[in-house]
Amino acid sequence: GAGVSQSPSNKVTEKGKDVELRCDPISGHTALYWYRQSLGQGLEFLIYFQGNSAPDKSGLPSDRFSAERTGGSVSTLTIQRTQQEDSAVYLCASSLNTYEQYFGPGTRLTVT
Amino acid sequence: KQEVTQIPAALSVPEGENLVLNCSFTDSAIYNLQWFRQDPGKGLTSLLLIQSSQREQTSGRLNASLDKSSGRSTLYIAASQPGDSATYLCAVYPMNTGFQKLVFGTGTRLLVSP
Repeated sequence: GAGVSQSPSNKVTEKGKDVELRCDPISGHTALYWYRQSLGQGLEFLIYFQGNSAPDKSGLPSDRFSAERTGGSVSTLTIQRTQQEDSAVYLCASSLNTYEQYFGPGTRLTVT
Repeated sequence: KQEVTQIPAALSVPEGENLVLNCSFTDSAIYNLQWFRQDPGKGLTSLLLIQSSQREQTSGRLNASLDKSSGRSTLYIAASQPGDSATYLCAVYPMNTGFQKLVFGTGTRLLVSP
């Protein structure tokens, strides 16, 4: 079956603009995760959704970051008023019942 | 705070060599440990998942072992090939901070030359 998909694959935006990154998890997977991979910080957890429960937002770096998951499937990560330090690869993963995580190809965000 | 370190940071070997990548973690309270491969500009491909009750997993030329008490895991690659060139990441599923929030290692960049 299809794996985790993310769009766009690349995004270049100007400092101060808002961006939306999309993740389509594997069908039937109940858990969805966002991670960020940057040169200085490595790979770090951002946010986690499990079913209809309130998301765990403990990894979001600032209140400019938010995410939602509609209908228990597709998720959108929104970054408001982007800064240059937001430049990174944003990875999405999904899993069945919080077990083994499967990752998408990522979205490379460049803030100029 | 759980910290995961991988040694070496980079490794360059000729084709055919057997090699070992190391992963160490500071807090032994983990559920699972997962090894990933990342090709340049790509996402993560899962290689092996070692569950909490297991000590090793094998897939083809790959073998991963886990010793939770000592905070170590090794990934053994037999008869390396140029196609194995990639960055290898280990990640732990920590018990104390929410096992869903993977904590990743620093990565080992492997180059296998023909």
